[in-house]
Amino acid sequence: ETGVTQSPTHLIKTRGQQVTLRCSSQSGHNTVSWYQQALGQGPQFIFQYYREEENGRGNFPPRFSGLQFPNYSSELNVNALELDDSALYLCASSLGMIDYGYTFGSGTRLTVV
Amino acid sequence: GQQLNQSPQSMFIQEGEDVSMNCTSSSIFNTWLWYKQDPGEGPVLLIALYKAGELTSNGRLTAQFGITRKDSFLNISASIPSDVGIYFCAGPRGSGNTGKLIFGQGTTLQVKP
Repeated sequence: ETGVTQSPTHLIKTRGQQVTLRCSSQSGHNTVSWYQQALGQGPQFIFQYYREEENGRGNFPPRFSGLQFPNYSSELNVNALELDDSALYLCASSLGMIDYGYTFGSGTRLTVV
Repeated sequence: GQQLNQSPQSMFIQEGEDVSMNCTSSSIFNTWLWYKQDPGEGPVLLIALYKAGELTSNGRLTAQFGITRKDSFLNISASIPSDVGIYFCAGPRGSGNTGKLIFGQGTTLQVKP
């Protein structure tokens, strides 16, 4: 059984650019949640996707957007990058929206310069 | 809004010592979760608590769901070097079990062999 895989592992972007981060959910998991973890902080919920529909969003501006595909993999897109977007972006998959058996990926470390 | 406050922020202990950390909130939570995050990895679920007063163990780890539903505690007995990492408490955002989590800011544990 494969776990959650995220790509790329590290990324450096310039302020104002756009970025796409990818997540392959664990086999059999139909729900994907994205979190942003700034240095020295706990993860913050960005949004969740269930069966290709957005199912809830945290306090993040519209320039943070996402997609979930029929195979339940997911993308996180961030437009007009700001320096404060530098963080570890974590993807977590689960079976259903109320399942606490989250499996987190190792994350993508995004640095905006 | 909902917030989770963890203490202590960091701990530096001797191998073999017991460790206690806690998590408090001004809001009631219906579920408490404890995660551990190793460097370069995503958080891994250690213990889940679903009922006020519940005491649950996972090996050398024991966690309790506070009676007021506004706090939780995690204890580690006879610490070993691989216990090093950041420990997060987490709970569901808003009402109901939606699977979207709020995390505390973490307790960093360092163990001296």
